[in-house]
Amino acid sequence: ETGVTQTPRHLVMGMTNKKSLKCEQHLGHNAMYWYKQSAKKPLELMFVYNFKEQTENNSVPSRFSPECPNSSHLFLHLHTLQPEDSALYLCASSQGTNGKLFFGSGTQLSVL
Amino acid sequence: AQKVTQAQTEISVVEKEDVTLDCVYETRDTTYYLFWYKQPPSGELVFLIRRNSFDEQNEISGRYSWNFQKSTSSFNFTITASQVVDSAVYFCALSRISSGSARQLTFGSGTQLTVLP
Repeated sequence: ETGVTQTPRHLVMGMTNKKSLKCEQHLGHNAMYWYKQSAKKPLELMFVYNFKEQTENNSVPSRFSPECPNSSHLFLHLHTLQPEDSALYLCASSQGTNGKLFFGSGTQLSVL
Repeated sequence: AQKVTQAQTEISVVEKEDVTLDCVYETRDTTYYLFWYKQPPSGELVFLIRRNSFDEQNEISGRYSWNFQKSTSSFNFTITASQVVDSAVYFCALSRISSGSARQLTFGSGTQLTVLP
């Protein structure tokens, strides 16, 4: 248990569906992140929230919409996704400037 | 721009063998952090180590050791007497040393290590 919980663990959706990924951290951290992990590729940073404010958006398509209502919760809203968006989506949190990230187990997303 | 290269996509060893995972990085920053993370089959990445660029001392933690060579921009990871439980994907990562509490890491593509019994 890393203290970061992601739901659901697996998600299959069609290209016209709307779904949301949820992340919750119980560590009291102030920063939260969304990463995308595709096969044989480096982890790609998607979004960063620091004290609930979005501080980074790495040119992510608008079909991915993050939401951070408070420092403990992070959502990723998905709509009209493409098959190439199929990947493992990882949430992480951190505290301070030590760079030590705590990751959830991820949501394995399949877009049909 | 920052870049991390892990040239070994997959490595397979027999239990009790030593194995070294290579990591080469590129950065224009004079000070930076380097990391190693482990991703077991359960999916979550687990932090293993952070090194500061101005501290080139090698580090040992049990069966794990890290060799930081700033001259060659490498930060290699060695597992001594490997065990089946070491089987995982290992990621090397790099970040700037900057103010602010949200640190952004640049990851390599990972090395899948399989330790056979």
